[in-house]
Amino acid sequence: DVKVTQSSRYLVKRTGEKVFLECVQDMDHENMFWYRQDPGLGLRLIYFSYDVKMKEKGDIPEGYSVSREKKERFSLILESASTNQTSMYLCASSLGLRHDEQYFGPGTRLTVT
Amino acid sequence: QKEVEQDPGPLSVPEGAIVSLNCTYSNSAFQYFMWYRQYSRKGPELLMYTYSSGNKEDGRFTAQVDKSSKYISLFIRDSQPSDSATYLCAMSPNGNNRLAFGKGNQVVVIP
Repeated sequence: DVKVTQSSRYLVKRTGEKVFLECVQDMDHENMFWYRQDPGLGLRLIYFSYDVKMKEKGDIPEGYSVSREKKERFSLILESASTNQTSMYLCASSLGLRHDEQYFGPGTRLTVT
Repeated sequence: QKEVEQDPGPLSVPEGAIVSLNCTYSNSAFQYFMWYRQYSRKGPELLMYTYSSGNKEDGRFTAQVDKSSKYISLFIRDSQPSDSATYLCAMSPNGNNRLAFGKGNQVVVIP
């Protein structure tokens, strides 16, 4: 079974702090994704990566950056956290072939106060 | 118009009823269609995966794709309280690893 793990289930940070969210997958998947999920807005793609050190912007990249130094690990960075970044953050990975099933981690609920 | 439209519900049904969920979409390039199930405070998990038009059945679950109408459906037969979750449709064009998600439809199965 594919396993995608995220470093924290719940996180509380203060406005202006730098926040790191880590994601690790154990199935040698090529692609990794970061989403945020908000009530009424659904899942929105922040960034994704299709290879080590490669990244592409998703639909809402503003205020975020990412890092993929190793194939199994994809980090989401909030350079200066703001209250409107309070959300559920979900990491996903996929094999990278033409069929696109994504496997999700359990999510990190981030609260910025 | 949003690429994928999904009525958020919530949808409440008695145990044993048939649950019917659907999504409409605007991008005719979509070829891959998926349904994810998300329990409260958990990440989504892949439930059904279909390529192009047609039906797919897996136990109590049936996924249908009608590309001519740009409409996909998920049916849950003999619904159980354990089926209470949010169901998200997702789709992508051929060869594109980005998924377009619906907003999710919350289902509550009442014992």
